[in-house]
Amino acid sequence: EVQLVQSGGEVREPGESLKISCTASGYSFSNYWIAWLRQMPEKGLEWLGIIYPTDSDTRYSPSFQGQVTISADKSISTAYLQWSSLKASDTAIYYCARRSDGRSLDYWGQGTLVTVSS
Amino acid sequence: DIQMTQSPSTLSASIGDRVTITCRASQSISRWLAWYQQKPGKAPKLLIYTASSLESGVPSRFSGSGSGTAFTLTISSLQPDDFATYYCQHYNNYSPTYTFGQGTKLEI
Repeated sequence: EVQLVQSGGEVREPGESLKISCTASGYSFSNYWIAWLRQMPEKGLEWLGIIYPTDSDTRYSPSFQGQVTISADKSISTAYLQWSSLKASDTAIYYCARRSDGRSLDYWGQGTLVTVSS
Repeated sequence: DIQMTQSPSTLSASIGDRVTITCRASQSISRWLAWYQQKPGKAPKLLIYTASSLESGVPSRFSGSGSGTAFTLTISSLQPDDFATYYCQHYNNYSPTYTFGQGTKLEI
C-alpha cells in the first residue's frame, strides 16, 4: 500500500527556520516525483515545487522560488520542505503528493499544519 | 502562465441531483487536466485524470469531459458523501509543473 506520512504540526515564531518531512512507503521512492503544495486557511491549493529523488532534480513555482527549499533523501525515502526565515504569511497546511505515471497527483500525505506567530 | 478558472465558486444541490462543475484554461492544455475532491480537514483525493479517466476506486457517478480550454466534472446522482470542495488542476506533460483552479464548494 502506497503511503506518504508527513511530520507533525509545528509552531514557530517569525524569522525562525523549519524543515518538515514526508516519508514514503509501499513503492519505489526514487522513481516518482514528489510535489509539495500549500493550503492557506480557508483557501485553495497552491503548488510550491517538486523533486525527483533519483537525482534531486527540483523545480519550483515562480511564486515560491527562493522562499522555500525542497530536498530528498532517497536512502530513507523522505522528502523535505524547508524555510530559512518564516513569516506569518507562511501559516498554512502543507501537503506532499506523489506524481503518478499519468502526471496527476495520485497519493497525498495527511498534511502538516505550520503556524507562524509571535 | 496558464490560468485555470472554475465555476461556480459555490454550488447548492440536493441528494440525487445531477451537478456539473466547469473549469476553463486560459489557453489550450489538450487533455492535461485532473479533478480532485477535498473534504474538510482532509487531503485532496484524485478523482479524474487526463480529463476523463476515472481513478481506481472512484465511484462511476463521477465523470469528466472536455479538451483544449473547457472541461467539466459531472456527478450523475449526488450522494451525501459527495458534499465537498472540488478542484481542477492542469499538469504540464513536459515539465512537472501544476496549476489549480480556485475550487468549487458543493453544498447541500
